[in-house]
Amino acid sequence: ELKVEQNPLFLSMQEGKNYTIYCNYSTTSDRLYWYRQDPGKSLESLFVLLSNGAVKQEGRLMASLDTKARLSTLHITAAVHDLSATYFCAVGTGNQFYFGTGTSLTVIP
Amino acid sequence: NAGVTQTPKFRVLKTGQSMTLLCAQDMNHEYMYWYRQDPGMGLRLIHYSVGEGTTAKGEVPDGYNVSRLKKQNFLLGLESAAPSQTSVYFCASSYAKQGQGWADRFTRFFGQGTRLTVV
Repeated sequence: ELKVEQNPLFLSMQEGKNYTIYCNYSTTSDRLYWYRQDPGKSLESLFVLLSNGAVKQEGRLMASLDTKARLSTLHITAAVHDLSATYFCAVGTGNQFYFGTGTSLTVIP
Repeated sequence: NAGVTQTPKFRVLKTGQSMTLLCAQDMNHEYMYWYRQDPGMGLRLIHYSVGEGTTAKGEVPDGYNVSRLKKQNFLLGLESAAPSQTSVYFCASSYAKQGQGWADRFTRFFGQGTRLTVV
């Protein structure tokens, strides 16, 4: 079974700072997803990464994938309060999805 | 532009009661899924379906049953609720045969969740 580990599990950061969330997975995968979940809400798809070296950016979030290291990162640039949420990575292989435990991000003014 | 709709949004059950959660999607997706989300454990797959009339077990299927009589609907049933089934349940769908790029085909689209409490 494929294992997906995220760290940190909890992150509190000040507005304007940068930080990176890490997602490690245990075996070869087709693709890597990042989702955002606001408290009490559903999961919203942020990025799909397909190949080694893939990088995608949306606003202050940038996701990258290193398939050789089995690692994806979600980098937050100049955090703002609106980014407070829980972020999940999910690893896809075939039609299977394996979710990480999530990183709860709180951005403090 | 409804996407994936779950009903109900909240429910409180007594131990031993039964209930059915309904998931409906209007994206013509082939695959549908039921997940549960518990604190510190991410999302775990309960059951899934790869097409109308098919169902399969996921990671944590015990205590649940599902049915997919129509392509757009996926029902999750609890026959005899237990406190361990207190959780937030999410339905998701994916994979339209046409009109999507390869990667997007497998992206899960989620409903808004059902918060179930069993007392």
